[in-house]
Amino acid sequence: DIQMTQSPSSLSASIGDRVTITCRASQSISSYLNWYQQKPGKAPKLLIYAASTLQSGVPSRFSGGGSGTDFTLTVTSLQPEDFATYYCQQSYTAPWTFGQGTKVEIK
Amino acid sequence: QVQLQQWGAGLLKPSETLSLTCAVSGGSLSGKHWNWIRQTPGKGLEWIGEINHSGSTNYNTSLKNRVTILVDASMSQFSLELSSVTAADTAVYFCARGVDTAMADYNYYYRMDVWGQGTTVTVSS
Repeated sequence: DIQMTQSPSSLSASIGDRVTITCRASQSISSYLNWYQQKPGKAPKLLIYAASTLQSGVPSRFSGGGSGTDFTLTVTSLQPEDFATYYCQQSYTAPWTFGQGTKVEIK
Repeated sequence: QVQLQQWGAGLLKPSETLSLTCAVSGGSLSGKHWNWIRQTPGKGLEWIGEINHSGSTNYNTSLKNRVTILVDASMSQFSLELSSVTAADTAVYFCARGVDTAMADYNYYYRMDVWGQGTTVTVSS
């Protein structure tokens, strides 16, 4: 199975900050990488697919980059509703696997 | 828009069979994949398996011997059965729609774009 590793596991940030989360795959997955946002008690919500394509309805302050084994999720100008846990997920080969999550907290 | 509504028993005893159902509204089952994922504090998000509208399945090998995913296209529903549960199967279970579409590079990119609300399942004697 492909292992996905996110860093950091958590971070504290302020409203308006730029935040970057990193995801690394245990082998090359080309651009088969998705990002999800999850708030407490809710299901994950798709933000970005194919490493950099914004899901419909997702604010443009979210962006994704990378290919191969190293990927990033960036949030420019963090908003109150962005405090949540973020997960990467590879869709290169089944079983689909997720990173362990990055919790973004209010500083 | 497509919505997923899931339900099932929330409290099981060890060795029992977990059974969950997910109903699809606002769209067709055709051409899509229908997934089950679970989440625990310890292991995070774990993909269990998927089925398409014609009944073709793909399971996570870690659970393969205990998992059955079925589809009932006439009812626009799909279901999960997990046999011989233990405390390790205690988790929040989600259903989700999987879609794959061709991008500009002619490759198909798969993602899970619509999720059910989640069902908490506890296994305890």
